[in-house]
Order: sequence, then structure tokens, then C-alpha cells
Amino acid sequence: EVQLVESGGSLVQPGGSLKLSCEASGFTLSGSPIHWVRQASGKGLEWVGRIKHRANDYATAYAASMKGRFTISRDDAKNTVYLQMNSLKTEDTAVYYCTRHLIVGPMDWFDLWGQGTLVTVSS
Amino acid sequence: IVMTQSPLSLPVTPGEPASISCRSTQSLLHTNGYNYLNWYLQKPGQSPQVLIYLGSNRASGVPDRFSGSGSGTDFTLKIRRVEAEDAGVYFCMQALQLPLTFGGGTKVEIK
Repeated sequence: EVQLVESGGSLVQPGGSLKLSCEASGFTLSGSPIHWVRQASGKGLEWVGRIKHRANDYATAYAASMKGRFTISRDDAKNTVYLQMNSLKTEDTAVYYCTRHLIVGPMDWFDLWGQGTLVTVSS
Repeated sequence: IVMTQSPLSLPVTPGEPASISCRSTQSLLHTNGYNYLNWYLQKPGQSPQVLIYLGSNRASGVPDRFSGSGSGTDFTLKIRRVEAEDAGVYFCMQALQLPLTFGGGTKVEIK
């Protein structure tokens, strides 16, 4: 089955760090840009950042509020993308989704989403 | 780019049509002629799923009762005849430039 599976979410204190993983199964992750999107409880979707694939030098980009605190990386040999989160704040509490960015010619959309992993930042 | 959806909540009777509006603060029309506006549905307890890409193209497997229209800064998602399985929160998202941004969501409730 083609799927993305996030893991690593947990309870962490403000100022702490956490590393999330997004593992692909049923397909090779190396050819796909991967994005992270988060959703606070009962709220909307917020783009966190993305990492492109090798052909684009694994270029990363981040939302302004996360830049400098969050880092996205990938290990194509492990079919996994990571989200390293440092200096966590209470407002980072959310379900974090990874999603595959499908690009075919001019067409692009998020065609595959993980089930999400919950990060709770609280003392 | 700020995305604004309306209404916030939309109660609908099965079999009736529904319409959701999405507006952006900048034109989403690319120089290639496509509008970089996608629609996603998040059913209760599930991850989002794509419905419409490039403003008006239904994703594979999406029923034809869903349609997207609009250009520039004004877009609309229509459901021709709502079914019970269409309940959930609908989000528009601009894919023209980073940071990608979503509308606040429209909750469709089945009466």
C-alpha cells in the first residue's frame, strides 16, 4: 500500500526539541518533494515547510514563524523525511502531517498525506 | 498571500447544492495560464484529500458532482447535489508562491 507514516510526536516542554519522521512505504520517496503541514486542534491548516528532491539539491523552505527553529531533511536510503523542531513554543502544539507534492507539468497538488502525529508543547 | 473562505459553516440538506467561496489577496494566475488554487476536503478524523487542482480540475477519483471555477483572486467550489459522505471541512490553498497558504476552512454539515 502506498502511504506516508509520521512518527515522533510527543509531549515536550517549551524550549525543548523534537524530531518527527515521515516514512514512505509502497513507493520511492526520492523522487518527490515533501511538505510538512500542521493543524492545531479545531483549527485550519498551516504550511510548515518543504524539501525538494535530489535533482533540486534538496532545497528547503519554511514558513516565517518556523524559520531558524525548524529544519527539514531527508534520507532517501531510508525512504524518510525528517522535521527537526527546536526552541518549541506552546503555539507549536498541533498535529503535524507530511504530504507528497505531486508535480506533473504545470499541475501540482498534495496527492498523498500521512495520518499525522501529535506534538504537544506544554510545561 | 492571504486566503479567505466563506461561509465559515454551511449546513446542507442531502440532494441540495452547496457553494464555497475562496478569495486571495493576490492573483493566482500564473504566466502559464493556470490558476494555482487547489481545494482539499478533510473528513472527520481523517487527513486532508485533494478534490480540485489548478482551480477547476477534478483529481482522480473525485465524483463529478464537485466542480471548481474562478480565476485571478475569486474562486468557487460547488457541490451539485450534496451527499452524506461530503461532510467535513473544505480548504482552499494557493500553490502559486511560498509560503503556501490555506483558507480558514468551511465546515459542511449535513442536516
